[in-house]
Amino acid sequence: QLQLRESGPGLVKSSETLSLTCTVSGGSMTDGDYWWAWIRQPPGKGLEWIGAASYTGTSYSNPSLEGRVAIVVDTPNLQYSLRLSSVTDADTAVYYCARHSYGVGYHWGQGTLVTVSS
Amino acid sequence: DTQMTQSPSSLSASIGDRVTITCRASQSINSWLAWYQQKPGKAPELVIYKTSTLQSGVPSRFSGSGSGPDFALTISSLQPDDFATYYCQQYNSFPHTFGQGTKLEIK
Repeated sequence: QLQLRESGPGLVKSSETLSLTCTVSGGSMTDGDYWWAWIRQPPGKGLEWIGAASYTGTSYSNPSLEGRVAIVVDTPNLQYSLRLSSVTDADTAVYYCARHSYGVGYHWGQGTLVTVSS
Repeated sequence: DTQMTQSPSSLSASIGDRVTITCRASQSINSWLAWYQQKPGKAPELVIYKTSTLQSGVPSRFSGSGSGPDFALTISSLQPDDFATYYCQQYNSFPHTFGQGTKLEIK
């Protein structure tokens, strides 16, 4: 049974870099049909896809985040990470890690709230 | 980017009602459309993928349909556990964009 769990600081200062880690259990990270993704949800709002990476290192991010996103996959440690630079209040959200299986859709972690303080 | 326009944004219905939520894609998504259910304080859960395939464990009262650009999620007979917010998502091309969500409430 695949499980994903987010971890990292719940409070980040404005203009600094948000860093989160997703720990994977119950599944392999080295299957080429998987993309390892981050999705966020501001309080009371809808879902925003942040980006995704494959185990080979290929990654894509949402153009709306203007190059502030880095996603790195660490297969030996069954983890992957998100770094979002130059954060503002607009980056306050619940951040989810999620696995995309080719053709199937997303399986989600429980989410973690990150608040940006000015 | 592919824009997903979901409607309605909210919907009031009664137990036993049949309800339909729609999603329109701004460009071809080749049936790569998923529906998620989200309850307050919880992560979204996959309900339907590839337009019409029911995720394992999801009740058969849920169904998905459509072809580009219009897609739909139908719940044939609403049960108390179905009141939640529903999102569509295209995963044909990055970024994998979501609809704005539909909050399904008890009338």
